[in-house]
Amino acid sequence: ETGVTQSPTHLIKTRGQQVTLRCSSQSGHNTVSWYQQALGQGPQFIFQYYREEENGRGNFPPRFSGLQFPNYSSELNVNALELDDSALYLCASSYDGYEQYFGPGTRLTVT
Amino acid sequence: KQEVTQIPAALSVPEGENLVLNCSFTDSAIYNLQWFRQDPGKGLTSLLLIQSSQREQTSGRLNASLDKSSGRSTLYIAASQPGDSATYLCAVRSDSGYALNFGKGTSLLVTP
Repeated sequence: ETGVTQSPTHLIKTRGQQVTLRCSSQSGHNTVSWYQQALGQGPQFIFQYYREEENGRGNFPPRFSGLQFPNYSSELNVNALELDDSALYLCASSYDGYEQYFGPGTRLTVT
Repeated sequence: KQEVTQIPAALSVPEGENLVLNCSFTDSAIYNLQWFRQDPGKGLTSLLLIQSSQREQTSGRLNASLDKSSGRSTLYIAASQPGDSATYLCAVRSDSGYALNFGKGTSLLVTP
């Protein structure tokens, strides 16, 4: 059984640029959630996708958007990057939103 | 809005000690509660999940309890080992949503 994978591992972007992060969910899972974790903080919920539809969103602006594909993999897109977007971005998959399993994360640095 | 607090923020113990990590939450209308482990710069590893109808869960040297009415959960680690050194995060899923609400974590250091 393959766990949750994320790519890339690390990324450096300049303020104002756009970035796409990718996540492959665990086999058999149909729900993907994205979280942002700033240094020294707990993860903050960005949004969740269930069967290709967004069904929950945290307190993040519209420049954070996402997609879920028919194979339940997912993308997180962030437009107009700001310095405060520097964080560890975590993807979690689950079956019907039950127990969530997290990937290793993507470390984004905005300069 | 569900608020999750973890105490203490940091803990240092000698190897072999039993220890308790605390988690409190403000809204008792929860769906489940998960405890995670996070190594520096890494993702989260799920340790235990407790459904709202359960009182405790056990896995090896770990035992998690849940008191929904008082808004508290504890993670008990028996016979701690240096390999247990990590940050431990408590996360609550409310009845009304899908998101996990996390505490800031307890940073644990177990010294040989």
